[in-house]
Amino acid sequence: RKEVEQDPGPFNVPEGATVAFNCTYSNSASQSFFWYRQDCRKEPKLLMSVYSSGNEDGRFTAQLNRASQYISLLIRDSKLSDSATYLCVVIPRDNYGQNFVFGPGTRLSVLP
Amino acid sequence: DGGITQSPKYLFRKEGQNVTLSCEQNLNHDAMYWYRQDPGQGLRLIYYSQIVNDFQKGDIAEGYSVSREKKESFPLTVTSAQKNPTAFYLCASSPQGDSYNEQFFGPGTRLTVL
Repeated sequence: RKEVEQDPGPFNVPEGATVAFNCTYSNSASQSFFWYRQDCRKEPKLLMSVYSSGNEDGRFTAQLNRASQYISLLIRDSKLSDSATYLCVVIPRDNYGQNFVFGPGTRLSVLP
Repeated sequence: DGGITQSPKYLFRKEGQNVTLSCEQNLNHDAMYWYRQDPGQGLRLIYYSQIVNDFQKGDIAEGYSVSREKKESFPLTVTSAQKNPTAFYLCASSPQGDSYNEQFFGPGTRLTVL
């Protein structure tokens, strides 16, 4: 089983739709979690950190479920500019050096 | 402006040649990283460095080498021993500290070996 798994998509949704992505991880000792956004042929950029209590930033909501070992990202009122690949990132607790473990990414296309 | 720069943006090399990719940061970050990304795949760690004059192998270090002589610079050499070097190479940095620090990425270098 891969350390971090994501549904590759693509998710094709109309503008204004709500879309959710899940990411599962295998290391139960994982400490920190992030969602990064990567536009086509560009570098990844931090979208949001994922806290145990869940967190919200505008139209974006991230949640963590430690018992089931998954994190989720919810995007409300999708915009055309949300089209990108969303990367789930996990940092294991016992991993010196803050070595990120990246998922393969979920591609989102928001259609007019 | 603070940030991470990588050069060149595109690089073409003949098979069998070594090539060095540049990565510079002026964020005063202690840690620096090199990743490789292939189409449709996640990022894979090649090498990382937590401090000057020290670096560690990542998951796919074979065929690559690095140096960390200055805090600001972490060049990656792709050697002729790397069997499939064509890929998108990303450099990143992060502050030292606890495990909640994000990594900041440079714009990447696309290497094509002909």
